[in-house]
Amino acid sequence: AQKITQTQPGMFVQEKEAVTLDCTYDTSDPSYGLFWYKQPSSGEMIFLIYQGSYDQQNATEGRYSLNFQKARKSANLVISASQLGDSAMYFCAMRRPSGGYNKLIFGAGTRLAVHP
Amino acid sequence: DTGVSQNPRHKITKRGQNVTFRCDPISEHNRLYWYRQTLGQGPEFLTYFQNEAQLEKSRLLSDRFSAERPKGSFSTLEIQRTEQGDSAMYLCASSTEQGLGGNTIYFGEGSWLTVV
Repeated sequence: AQKITQTQPGMFVQEKEAVTLDCTYDTSDPSYGLFWYKQPSSGEMIFLIYQGSYDQQNATEGRYSLNFQKARKSANLVISASQLGDSAMYFCAMRRPSGGYNKLIFGAGTRLAVHP
Repeated sequence: DTGVSQNPRHKITKRGQNVTFRCDPISEHNRLYWYRQTLGQGPEFLTYFQNEAQLEKSRLLSDRFSAERPKGSFSTLEIQRTEQGDSAMYLCASSTEQGLGGNTIYFGEGSWLTVV
């Protein structure tokens, strides 16, 4: 069965520092997609970054990068130069390859607090 | 605003009452998803529509839950005879058929339900 594990309930980081949020996944399917979302207190899930299982390079989107280690089944999110506005819940998710649509399985999330 | 719209944003209801949530997806998106998120957890998949057809329902969607997308545009999620365990945020998302990359799934801001 597919599963996403986020072992860090909460993380603290100083403004302008980098932070890594951990995510491990479990699947026996060779084709899958990995996502990271940010959820501020308003509730909206904001897409941050995506990594396909066959992508050769680690994904990057501005200050976000994904450290994809396929053999270890990990997809950690790295946020560089943290900003106060980065304080939020962060969710790692995996897309199940079910019929070609975007059914996502989410982890429990990590709450990030950025301190000035 | 051309994003995914959900209403009402907040609903407080007494146990046993029926509630209905509405989701308006992005206009050209033919795929629509409902997720449920309880406090301290990541979202859990409830159901998926392609146009007006409901193609998958999670076991989480008990007989008291019904979702419709009558004309392939907006969708409604109705909960009958609400229970305290139904208290959660109900998230709607939409996507297109064009590829399964990370930036093709768009979430609304969610509808918070509190059953008292």
